[in-house]
Order: sequence, then structure tokens, then C-alpha cells
Amino acid sequence: EVHLLESGGGLVQPGGSLRLSCAASGFTSSLYAMSWVRQAPGKGLEWVSAINIAHNTFYPESVKGRFTTSRDNSENTVSLQMNSLRAEDTAVYYCTREGSSDRGWYFDLWGRGTPVTVSS
Amino acid sequence: QSVLTQPPSVSGAPGQRVTISCTGSTFNIGAGYDVHWYQQFPGTAPKLLIYGNNNRPSGVPDRFSGSTSGTSASLAITGLQAEDEADYYCQSYDSGSNVFGTGTKVTVL
Repeated sequence: EVHLLESGGGLVQPGGSLRLSCAASGFTSSLYAMSWVRQAPGKGLEWVSAINIAHNTFYPESVKGRFTTSRDNSENTVSLQMNSLRAEDTAVYYCTREGSSDRGWYFDLWGRGTPVTVSS
Repeated sequence: QSVLTQPPSVSGAPGQRVTISCTGSTFNIGAGYDVHWYQQFPGTAPKLLIYGNNNRPSGVPDRFSGSTSGTSASLAITGLQAEDEADYYCQSYDSGSNVFGTGTKVTVL
């Protein structure tokens, strides 16, 4: 069975850093683009980052320059390095696997999520 | 602020048909980018419900269907069941980013 398992979430002060990890099992993650999606408490979903099979990375303006995603194909893992964290980055962070349709990309597999709280 | 707008809530009695709209613009749905839908129960991760506008992953009941028209998309649930009570999100692509809708809570009366 295929799974994604996130780790690394926790409480961090504003301006601090945190590194999230995502371990894939049941499939070879190097064959897929992988993304992180977050959800602030009581709010909707927000795409945070993507990394394709060529290791090219993509970010929305809200996190560009502060967040960096990477992958280790030998370990079947994906990571999200988050720097200069702000209160508005507080959310549950989900690791996702991407699929592609004729004209777009979607998230066909989700982890359980790891909570990140940015507060002093 | 999301570029895809959904009604905050919709409701229906068991067995009824309900639809959820997802209104975008010429930069996303109107540009021909596909729309995908997710279902989320409280305290759990979202689950892919529809991909590529109107395709269902294995295991998703055929009571769920998607469609697009112009700058909008819709998710229809026919034969509404109590277990369908959840939050639903649309998702597409816009100006270099994957974007989600504002989300809709479906209540089964």
C-alpha cells in the first residue's frame, strides 16, 4: 500500500527555521513530482511548493525566497526547509504526490500532515 | 485571497442532487487549465475526488461528477448520502501556481 509520512513539525518562534521531511513508501517517489500543501487552522488549502523529477522547484509568491524543497531519491524522501517563519505560516503541512492531466497537475496521494506553529 | 471562489456551504436531503460551483477567470479555468476536486473530513487529509475535470480515481463512487463551462467548474453529487457530509475544494492552475478554491461545506439535512 502506498503512503506518505511527514515529520518535523512543531513550535518555532517568529523568524526561526524548521525542516519538514516526507517519507514515501509503497512507490518510488523519484518517478513523481512531489508537492507540499498547507492548511491554516480553520482555513482552506494552499499550495506551498513543488519539485519535479528533474529536481526543478516551484513556489508561490507567499513563500518564495523563504522556503526550499528538495528530494533524496536514494532515501525516497522529500523535504521542506522553512526559514524566516511568520505567524501566518502556522498550519498543518501535507506532503503530496502529483499526477498530471492533459492541462494541469493534481495531488493524488496525501500524507496525514504535520502541524507547524509559529509563535513566541 | 483565493482566485477560485466557491459557495461557503450547500445542503441537501438524502437522495437529492447538490452542486458546488467553482468560479475562476480567464487566467485559470477560462484558460483551459483542468479542474480537480478534493473531499476532506474534519481532522483528516484531503482526498482526490475528481481529476482532469471529470475523471474519478478508482474507488470514488459514480455519484460524484465534474464539469466545466467557460470560467467555472461544478461538482455534482447525486443521490446524496450522510457520508458525503464534508468539505470540498476545487483546484486548478493560475499564473505559475497551483491554486485551490475557497472550499464548500456540504451538509446532509
